[in-house]
Amino acid sequence: NAGVTQTPKFRILKIGQSMTLQCTQDMNHNYMYWYRQDPGMGLKLIYYSVGAGITDKGEVPNGYNVSRSTTEDFPLRLELAAPSQTSVYFCASVGGLSNQPQHFGDGTRLSIL
Amino acid sequence: KNEVEQSPQNLTAQEGEFITINCSYSVGISALHWLQQHPGGGIVSLFMLSSGKKKHGRLIATINIQEKHSSLHITASHPRDSAVYICAVYTGNQFYFGTGTSLTVIP
Repeated sequence: NAGVTQTPKFRILKIGQSMTLQCTQDMNHNYMYWYRQDPGMGLKLIYYSVGAGITDKGEVPNGYNVSRSTTEDFPLRLELAAPSQTSVYFCASVGGLSNQPQHFGDGTRLSIL
Repeated sequence: KNEVEQSPQNLTAQEGEFITINCSYSVGISALHWLQQHPGGGIVSLFMLSSGKKKHGRLIATINIQEKHSSLHITASHPRDSAVYICAVYTGNQFYFGTGTSLTVIP
């Protein structure tokens, strides 16, 4: 089982560029999440999805967009990259609600210069 | 104000010591998770609990729902336990995370 796969692992962007962070899971999980992790801060929720076709904003959604066209894929889009978006991004999935552990991808380290 | 507070922020221990990491939360929860993040960055789930106590090898997690407090204990600590330990709570809608406890175990 691959679990949760994130690509790319590292990326450097210039201010104003756009990119998509990819996230795929092969566990048939309904719930998927995008987090960012800044130094000295806890993980912050950007967007989440409870199933294909359904997405919702988390705590820090500004500057990001998501889509969930299939159960497996949950890409995160940055339209106009800003230095404040320099962070490590984690995708996670959960099979059910509170009685299931989260499965995390390995993270994407993104720098905006 | 953070929904989840962890202590200590940093912890250094000698190999073999008994270690305790604490987590307090201020919101109603369905479950509490303990996560481990290794220096390479990957995050794995250690425990998920909604009451009582769970044990896995040298790791023990407890939760007191009335006091809104959880502890993670590591018995006979080993250098390979060096990592950041993160407490997370699930409210029924989303997860909230503590800032983590960085543990270093010295041989």
